[in-house]
Amino acid sequence: GDSVTQMEGPVTLSEEAFLTINCTYTATGYPSLFWYVQYPGEGLQLLLKATKADDKGSNKGFEATYRKETTSFHLEKGSVQVSDSAVYFCALSVNTGNQFYFGTGTSLTVIP
Amino acid sequence: SQTIHQWPATLVQPVGSPLSLECTVEGTSNPNLYWYRQAAGRGLQLLFYSVGIGQISSEVPQNLSASRPQDRQFILSSKKLLLSDSGFYLCAWSAGQVNTEAFFGQGTRLTVV
Repeated sequence: GDSVTQMEGPVTLSEEAFLTINCTYTATGYPSLFWYVQYPGEGLQLLLKATKADDKGSNKGFEATYRKETTSFHLEKGSVQVSDSAVYFCALSVNTGNQFYFGTGTSLTVIP
Repeated sequence: SQTIHQWPATLVQPVGSPLSLECTVEGTSNPNLYWYRQAAGRGLQLLFYSVGIGQISSEVPQNLSASRPQDRQFILSSKKLLLSDSGFYLCAWSAGQVNTEAFFGQGTRLTVV
């Protein structure tokens, strides 16, 4: 079935460090891929998305590239800030757009 | 623009009491609607989703039920809460089209005591 496997956390980085959070997926057909961010006590916010192979989603310095050959959608940021501390979820939706599958989330803490 | 409202934000209920959480969406019609639960420190568990009025799909057998009495209203209910029902409940909507994302409400923190 369709699923997302996400890098286990928690992840702790110093400010201005490079961030990578790994995400791989299993899907029938051609899924759309998403990264969401959740700040403490809040709902999820869409961070970026990619809808076809080789697409690169980007927002607020974060990037992720849809790699069909490796079934991956890794999240990267060149220089993290304390304000990036949150939980990050990788997700996919199947062809019909009716169902979303989420990874287990990766908690990121950035220390000054 | 579209907005999603979910309430209450926090709720403390005794074991065995009923539950009703409400979610409404504005600015769109015929959305797909979803209820997720997030246990402490864990990922999202899809509980129910709906593609139209009166159409509810249950993903996990449990103590909860969902209803969609109007196009943009989604209600999560329980007749008798269990301690294990505690968690963070999230409502979401999507346009139900290929390549579109889901949009989430702010969540309800439910503590069953």
